[in-house]
Amino acid sequence: AQKITQTQPGMFVQEKEAVTLDCTYDTSDPSYGLFWYKQPSSGEMIFLIYQGSYDQQNATEGRYSLNFQKARKSANLVISASQLGDSAMYFCAMKPNNAGNMLTFGGGTRLMVKP
Amino acid sequence: NAGVTQTPKFQVLKTGQSMTLQCAQDMNHNSMYWYRQDPGMGLRLIYYSASEGTTDKGEVPNGYNVSRLNKREFSLRLESAAPSQTSVYFCASSEVFADGPLPIYGYTFGSGTRLTVV
Repeated sequence: AQKITQTQPGMFVQEKEAVTLDCTYDTSDPSYGLFWYKQPSSGEMIFLIYQGSYDQQNATEGRYSLNFQKARKSANLVISASQLGDSAMYFCAMKPNNAGNMLTFGGGTRLMVKP
Repeated sequence: NAGVTQTPKFQVLKTGQSMTLQCAQDMNHNSMYWYRQDPGMGLRLIYYSASEGTTDKGEVPNGYNVSRLNKREFSLRLESAAPSQTSVYFCASSEVFADGPLPIYGYTFGSGTRLTVV
């Protein structure tokens, strides 16, 4: 079975600063995909970024980057130049290659951006 | 371009009542899922359907049934609602958008159904 752990229930960051949200995972599957989603107060799930276990480079999407350390089984999300609109819940999720099509989610981190 | 549509958006049930949550996607995705999200927690998989005609249990299936009516629609039924089923329910669908040794999946989520059982 796979497991995703997000150890930071809540975090504050000053507007315009960078912030790192932690995610560690556990799976016996050598092939897997890692995802980050944002859930604002309105409740929808917004896809942010994807990292494949075979990818040699860390994924980047605009202000989002993924600090992927395969040996440590961590996939931390880095948000640069935080904005007030970044205040939301953030979820790390994983899909092992050989365990069906479903995503397994971590418990989430609530990020609050201070003006 | 609706994506994944869930109905209803809000529902209050009395303990013991039954109801069906509806989900439809217009993206021709093969796989569909039902998740629940309890306050302050991540999403947990209830049931999923890898393709039309198949359904499988997820992490928390007790108290629920599902029907994959056709490729578009995947419904979740609570036969006898309990207060422990108070939650936000998300339907999702997925497709493979890049094949290879590690296929890359894209997931689309509905906007959720907020269910309260009193």
